[in-house]
Amino acid sequence: GAVVSQHPSWVICKSGTSVKIECRSLDFQATTMFWYRQFPKQSLMLMATSNEGSKATYEQGVEKDKFLINHASLTLSTLTVTSAHPEDSSFYICSARRDTQSNQPQHFGDGTRLSIL
Amino acid sequence: RKEVEQDPGPFNVPEGATVAFNCTYSNSASQSFFWYRQDCRKEPKLLMSVYSSGNEDGRFTAQLNRASQYISLLIRDSKLSDSATYLCVVNDGAGNMLTFGGGTRLMVKP
Repeated sequence: GAVVSQHPSWVICKSGTSVKIECRSLDFQATTMFWYRQFPKQSLMLMATSNEGSKATYEQGVEKDKFLINHASLTLSTLTVTSAHPEDSSFYICSARRDTQSNQPQHFGDGTRLSIL
Repeated sequence: RKEVEQDPGPFNVPEGATVAFNCTYSNSASQSFFWYRQDCRKEPKLLMSVYSSGNEDGRFTAQLNRASQYISLLIRDSKLSDSATYLCVVNDGAGNMLTFGGGTRLMVKP
């Protein structure tokens, strides 16, 4: 069964709206979670690394004020796309790895398909 | 140069065929390696990890050549359900960040 839950799976909203996406590790603690974005026919691109209890680390070219990340507990990270515009429409996926299993595969959420009109 | 490179394909093969995908990575400090499968509009799902000694899981065989920084995936007796995009993924080991290849699209036809 799923070990990482992501919600919502699909969002359609007007330009200027802020959208929050949740990523939960269901039965394990994850000090670190990762947020990816995928545009059509492209691979996943890492946006940021979410760290429990501290600030997220953003990849070059990703605006931290645009994509707010909060990792307030060991099982939950949230990504908020603030004042979303059509160019933010994409597939957003989170991943997490069990704290006790370094170098092991990460588990991915189901992804959130964001469409901004 | 991309950090992880794959032939994008598509590979169009008949059912029952054997098909091989290749992947090269640029970071020699990379620690672990995986093949993920991604179906259209879905999240990536782990297919298999790749070990230095090579490993097999049913019809799937993965190989790693650290000296050449090269990873391969072999699929034998292809099934229609194998049609998907196969992502070569490398873990840098330090921050546990994953770097994805662009993916190789496989289409298995009757």
